[in-house]
Formats: sequence, structure tokens, C-alpha cells
Amino acid sequence: QVQLQESGPGLVKPSETLSLTCAVSGYSISSGYSWGWIRQPPGQGLEWIGTFSQNGNTYYNPSLMSRVTISVATSKNQFSLRLNSVTAADTALYYCARHRLVVVVAATMGAFDIWGQGTMVTVSS
Amino acid sequence: DIVMTQSPDSLAVSLGERATINCKSSQSVLYSSNNKNYLAWYQQKPGQPPKLLIYWASTRESGVPDRFSGSGSGTDFTLTISSLQAEDVAIYYCQQYYSSYTFGQGTKLEIK
Repeated sequence: QVQLQESGPGLVKPSETLSLTCAVSGYSISSGYSWGWIRQPPGQGLEWIGTFSQNGNTYYNPSLMSRVTISVATSKNQFSLRLNSVTAADTALYYCARHRLVVVVAATMGAFDIWGQGTMVTVSS
Repeated sequence: DIVMTQSPDSLAVSLGERATINCKSSQSVLYSSNNKNYLAWYQQKPGQPPKLLIYWASTRESGVPDRFSGSGSGTDFTLTISSLQAEDVAIYYCQQYYSSYTFGQGTKLEIK
């Protein structure tokens, strides 16, 4: 059974860098699938942040691209999110999730079929 | 960006009755080379992450009750719950994965 678990600081100061990690259990991330980050501000909807694809590429939301980095540590079976120069607008529940396609098919990695429970990050001084 | 717009924003339906949620994309999410609609539906209950219900617009995820169904093509899609159960109270989101990944604003479903 594949499980994802987010971890990281719950409080980040404005202008600093938000760093989160998603630990994957029950599956080796080097074996396939693509892995992404999604966030949800309090009481609001869902926003895709970015994805590390099984083809080795990373894809980012254009609105966040200048501030986001997603990296993978296959030896630890985890992937990470870094978001720099944060403001109060980055306060949100951050989820990691798996795309449901093992490989990229017809230009997509597919919907998100497995999600972590999410970790709340507040940006405040 | 493809903008996803759901209607209504909230919906109250009696137990056992049909619930219908609509989703419209700002451009077609039908991929011509495989004739698939790159559209998914999720259910989110309070304090939980979203749960995938439907993908390719009409394919039910494993374990999802068959009272949930998805339909539509191109730019207009519908999620239908044929007979509302108490456990279906949630917020429902549509999502396109044709060009990047964007979600609708959500529809809150309650019991009347």
C-alpha cells in the first residue's frame, strides 16, 4: 500500500524559504510514476505547484515557477519542495501526491490518485 | 491557463435524491490523438485530502461506489451522484490535466 507523508516547519517568516519533504512508503519512486505538490489556502480551493516526472523532468505552475524547486532523493525514497521569498499568500495546507500514470501517456501524467494527509504552513513573522 | 468553472458553488439535496455538479473548461480538454477527455473529479471531506473519484471524465476509480458517475466531453462535464448518501457530504472538485493541472473552485454538497 503506497503512502505519502509530508513533513517540514509549520511556520516560516516572510521573505524566507519554505522547505517540505514528502516521504513515500510502499513503492520505490525510482521505479515509475510522477510525484507532485498541491496546496490549499485556508477555506479555499486547490492549486497545483509542480511535479517531478518519471521521465526526469520537472514541471511547475507558471505562476510559481520563479520561486519553486522540486527535487528527488531516490536513496531516501522522498521528494522535496522549496518555495522561496514567501509571503502571507503562501500560507496553505501543502499536499504531496502521486500521479496515477506509471509513465507519461499522450502528454500527461494523469490525475492524482494517492495523496498525503497534508501539512499546514503559516507564513508570519 | 485552462480555467475550470464549476456550478453551482453549493448544493443541497435530499437523501436518496440525485445530485448533479457541472464543470466547464475554458478550452477543450479532449485530446484528439487518443480521444480521451483529460478531466478528473475529486471528493474532499473536512480534514481530509482530496480523493480521486473519476478520471478520463467517466472512468470510476477502484473502490468508488457506482452511484458516482462522470459524463461530458470537450468543455462541459458533469458529476452525478445517483442516490445521495449521508457520507457523500463533501466538497467536490473537477480538475483538468490536459495542459498543466488546474482545479475548479469546488462545489459544496450538503443534505437538504
